Formats: sequence, C-alpha cells, structure tokens
Amino acid sequence: QKEVEQDPGPLSVPEGAIVSLNCTYSNSAFQYFMWYRQYSRKGPELLMYTYSSGNKEDGRFTAQVDKSSKYISLFIRDSQPSDSATYLCALYGGATNKLIFGTGTLLAVQP
Amino acid sequence: DTGVSQDPRHKITKRGQNVTFRCDPISEHNRLYWYRQTLGQGPEFLTYFQNEAQLEKSRLLSDRFSAERPKGSFSTLEIQRTEQGDSAMYLCASSYTGQDEKLFFGSGTQLSVL
Repeated sequence: QKEVEQDPGPLSVPEGAIVSLNCTYSNSAFQYFMWYRQYSRKGPELLMYTYSSGNKEDGRFTAQVDKSSKYISLFIRDSQPSDSATYLCALYGGATNKLIFGTGTLLAVQP
Repeated sequence: DTGVSQDPRHKITKRGQNVTFRCDPISEHNRLYWYRQTLGQGPEFLTYFQNEAQLEKSRLLSDRFSAERPKGSFSTLEIQRTEQGDSAMYLCASSYTGQDEKLFFGSGTQLSVL
C-alpha cells in the first residue's frame, strides 16, 4: 500500500465551479499536510499548509485535514482558468525528514 | 530572483554518458533536497543535505547517482552511465531547519536520455 493515495484525474470543470481534491494516507505519524500547485514544466509551489487536524482558508482555497480518517482535502471556490494545473498533496512527520507526495491531480478549468 | 535556481533547464544526452546538474538554493536555507519526478507521478525523494552533510539517501538512488554540497551552498547531482530509465524531471528544493516541511522548489532540470 502506498503511503499517500491521490486520484490522478484528469478533472475538468467549468469556470466558476467548486473543485474538490482529495488524498488519503496510511501513516498516522504525519503531522503536517501541504498542497502544492505545479504548472506544466515548472516546479511545485506551496499553496496551502496545515498542521494537524482542522480547516485553513486562504482566499478561494480551503484545506481540510481529518486525521481520524487519514483524509485531506483541498477546495477551490469560483475556479478560474488560471487554476488549471496539477495539484499535489504532500505530507510530513514521524521519523522521516522528507515530504511524501501524492501522484498529483491534473485539473483543467474550462472558460 | 531569490528563489531556488537550477541549471540547466533541459538536458538531452545519449545512453551511457555522464550528466551533472546544479542547484542554487535560497541563500538563508540550510537544507537542500533532490527529488525526481516522472510524467504523471509526484516527486520522489532522492537525497538531502543539511549544510554540507548528506544526511539521507533513498534506496532509489543507485550507485550511478552522486550528490555533493561542498560548501553548504550550491549542490550538484551527477548521474554516471545514464540509462533511458533515468529520463525524468530532477527537482531541487530548500528549506530552513525547523521548517523542513516547507520546501521551496526550483523549476527543475528535464533530462532526456536517448
């Protein structure tokens, strides 16, 4: 079983839609939960950062962490064509000193 | 630009050749990471440094791969006797010690082995 599972998509939505992206994980030692956005032929950029369980909101983006279910989500409200990218969940914690990434979900927002 | 810088952006080589990539991290960051990413996959950890010390290497990193960070500043990743399976995006990232979960990535070096 992979440490982090993420639906690779692709996911195609119309402009203005609410987007939901999700990851599940198996290692309960993870304490930090991140979402990275990666445009084509670019490196990942940190989008959202959450410590432990709960919600965090930043503009149109909301990150949710449910440690009891080992489930994390990213919601994008009023999606824009400029949101079209690959979204990677990334987890950190426990004995490891490195980020563990999901496979990424490719999102296309159609104008 | 004060972000993570990687050079070259693209490298095309023939199987069996050696290649070397360079990474310049954000200047205040003392941790430096190398990841590899193939199409449709998330980045996979290869190795990381704290200052000049290489603290961890992935089992993915065969003996053909070597990384250095001689003065705790820039780093190089060398692949000897390249194979077609080495074709990937090689990403460098850096972070502060104590904020290791917040990695800042460069744009990567895209390697194509023919």
